[in-house]
Amino acid sequence: EADIYQTPRYLVIGTGKKITLECSQTMGHDKMYWYQQDPGMELHLIHYSYGVNSTEKGDLSSESTVSRIRTEHFPLTLESARPSHTSQYLCASSDPSGSTGELFFGEGSRLTVL
Amino acid sequence: GNSVTQMEGPVTLSEEAFLTINCTYTATGYPSLFWYVQYPGEGLQLLLKATKADDKGSNKGFEATYRKETTSFHLEKGSVQVSDSAVYFCALRGYNYGQNFVFGPGTRLSVLP
Repeated sequence: EADIYQTPRYLVIGTGKKITLECSQTMGHDKMYWYQQDPGMELHLIHYSYGVNSTEKGDLSSESTVSRIRTEHFPLTLESARPSHTSQYLCASSDPSGSTGELFFGEGSRLTVL
Repeated sequence: GNSVTQMEGPVTLSEEAFLTINCTYTATGYPSLFWYVQYPGEGLQLLLKATKADDKGSNKGFEATYRKETTSFHLEKGSVQVSDSAVYFCALRGYNYGQNFVFGPGTRLSVLP
C-alpha cells in the first residue's frame, strides 16, 4: 500500500478563494507530481519536482503553483479559484532510481468551485 | 515523443466474461510498461508492469505481455468479476528513469452481475 496522502479529499469553495491542496509521502521519494484529471478521466501532468527546491511545469498549462521545501511535502496552491478549476487533482511520487520507478498515487482531492 | 493509445470505452461485460483492453505505444528505446487501475472515488493503483520485451506482468488474474515487435501491452483477464469495474490506464515510462510517465486516456470497464 502506498504511503502518500492528500488532503482534503473533497473541497467546495466559492470563486476567488485561495486554496491549498496538501500532499505528503513517507517513502523518501525525490520525484513528485501533480496531475489534473478531467471528467473524461484523462490525466494531465500540471507540475512535477525532482527534489527539494525544484519545481517544473508539466504538459498542461495551469494557473496553480507548487512548492517543494521538504522532500516529503508538495503542496499545490490556487491563489484565486474559478469554476474552470473544478476537477480532481492527483498527487504522485516515484523513486526514479528504483527497480521499476513506478508511480505511487494519493487518493485524490476533488475540488468544486462555485 | 512517447505516446500511448488505448481502446476507447466504455466496455460493458457480463460476469465471468473474457476481457481484453488493447494498448499500443510509441517510444524510443526500451520503455517500461504499466497498467494502472482506478476504482470509483480513489486514486490510481499499479495493477501490473513489465520492464523488458517478452516480460509478462500479472496480478489479480490480469495479465499483459510486453510485445516489442507489435509495440503492444494488451490487458487480459479470463473471467471478470463485478469488483473489476473500474477505469484502466495503460502507461509507459521512457528508458531513462528520469523521464515522466505517459498515460493513455483510460478505459472504463463495467461488469454486470
